Amino acid sequence: SYELTQAPSVSVSPGQTASISCSGDKLGDKYVCWYQQKPGQSPVVVMFDDNKRPSGIPERFSGSNSGNTATLTISGTQAMDEADYYCQAWWDSSTSVVFGGGTRLTVL
Amino acid sequence: EVQLLESGGDVVQPGGSLRLSCAASGFTFDDYTMHWVRQAPGKGLEWVSLISWDGGSTNYAESVRGRFTISRDNSRASLYLEMNSLRTEDTAFYYCAKDSQQYQLLSHFDSWGQGTLVTVSS
Repeated sequence: SYELTQAPSVSVSPGQTASISCSGDKLGDKYVCWYQQKPGQSPVVVMFDDNKRPSGIPERFSGSNSGNTATLTISGTQAMDEADYYCQAWWDSSTSVVFGGGTRLTVL
Repeated sequence: EVQLLESGGDVVQPGGSLRLSCAASGFTFDDYTMHWVRQAPGKGLEWVSLISWDGGSTNYAESVRGRFTISRDNSRASLYLEMNSLRTEDTAFYYCAKDSQQYQLLSHFDSWGQGTLVTVSS
């Protein structure tokens, strides 16, 4: 079965750029989305189809996907961005959902 | 506004059964695939099951296959998860989630419910 790997944690200083990665075999051939989950809340999609931002998501969030790695980038990171981030991959013939293990972003 | 409201979570003994429900509103329910996703306390997201817009296709994670059954009632805009032979490792918050694309089996989830807690313990 397909697997996605994420680093357990990433730390960033306020105002700096945070990069959260997700790796998988030939991930660049698949669609990737990212969910943000804050403590006690349900997940919210912050990026889909590799690099599309849903309405209401700040422009400081961007995404890329190539080779075996997808990356969620947060420019000018704010304290409110502190959360767990999960990647998800899917492809045209997929019939099941794959999540990465999640990355906890700490803004300090 | 899309709303998904789960119910049915409870404390149940190992080997027991439980039925979860998810009431949907704010969108044309029978146009979209729906999913169940769970999250054990302090752990990551785990996809559980999906059902296509017309109920014609279903799929399950290996961890629940043969024990859980997903279903939907489009006339009631409701999604269900029948859980049998429950194990302690099934303890988790269970979320229903809406797929984003009409008449497509799988893409990303654009809406999630608030979750309902299932605790399997003796």
